[in-house]
Amino acid sequence: GAGVSQSPSNKVTEKGKDVELRCDPISGHTALYWYRQRLGQGLEFLIYFQGNSAPDKSGLPSDRFSAERTGESVSTLTIQRTQQEDSAVYLCASSLEVSYNSPLHFGNGTRLTVT
Amino acid sequence: EDQVTQSPEALRLQEGESSSLNCSYTVSGLRGLFWYRQDPGKGPEFLFTLYSAGEEKEKERLKATLTKKESFLHITAPKPEDSATYLCAVQAVSNSGYALNFGKGTSLLVTP
Repeated sequence: GAGVSQSPSNKVTEKGKDVELRCDPISGHTALYWYRQRLGQGLEFLIYFQGNSAPDKSGLPSDRFSAERTGESVSTLTIQRTQQEDSAVYLCASSLEVSYNSPLHFGNGTRLTVT
Repeated sequence: EDQVTQSPEALRLQEGESSSLNCSYTVSGLRGLFWYRQDPGKGPEFLFTLYSAGEEKEKERLKATLTKKESFLHITAPKPEDSATYLCAVQAVSNSGYALNFGKGTSLLVTP
């Protein structure tokens, strides 16, 4: 079946502009996660959704970052007033449920470059 | 603070030369330890989950093992197509939403 889909695959933006990154999870997966992967660094957890709710937003790097999920499906990660340090690959993952025995399945990410 | 450390950072093997990748961790309450494979330009691909010390999982040329402090990913007679970055991640009791804490990975290159 279809995996996690992310769009766009690449995004180049100017410093100070806003960007929206989209994630389409695997159908039926109630849990959705956003991670950031900077060059040479490990994956950094940003936020998760259980259904349409984000119980814990403390992983978001700053108040310029926000995320939402609708219809227990599509999620959007928005970065306002982008900075050069926001350049990274943003990965979305989904899992069947928020549970210890439910592995995360990742999309191929959006590579964001802020110039 | 939960930590996941992978070694070596990079490993070069000849085809058929078996080896092991290490993942050491310190967490306050382990729910599970995960191994993923990541190819360039792709998202991580799930390989294994291990839940308790002594557990082992196998898939083709890969075998993952777990102790109370570390996990090993053994690669037997690797082929060039096994070249990738291998990521280890832990799911701790303290992790929000059962999220995973990832190590920085081991970049494996297998040459013919």
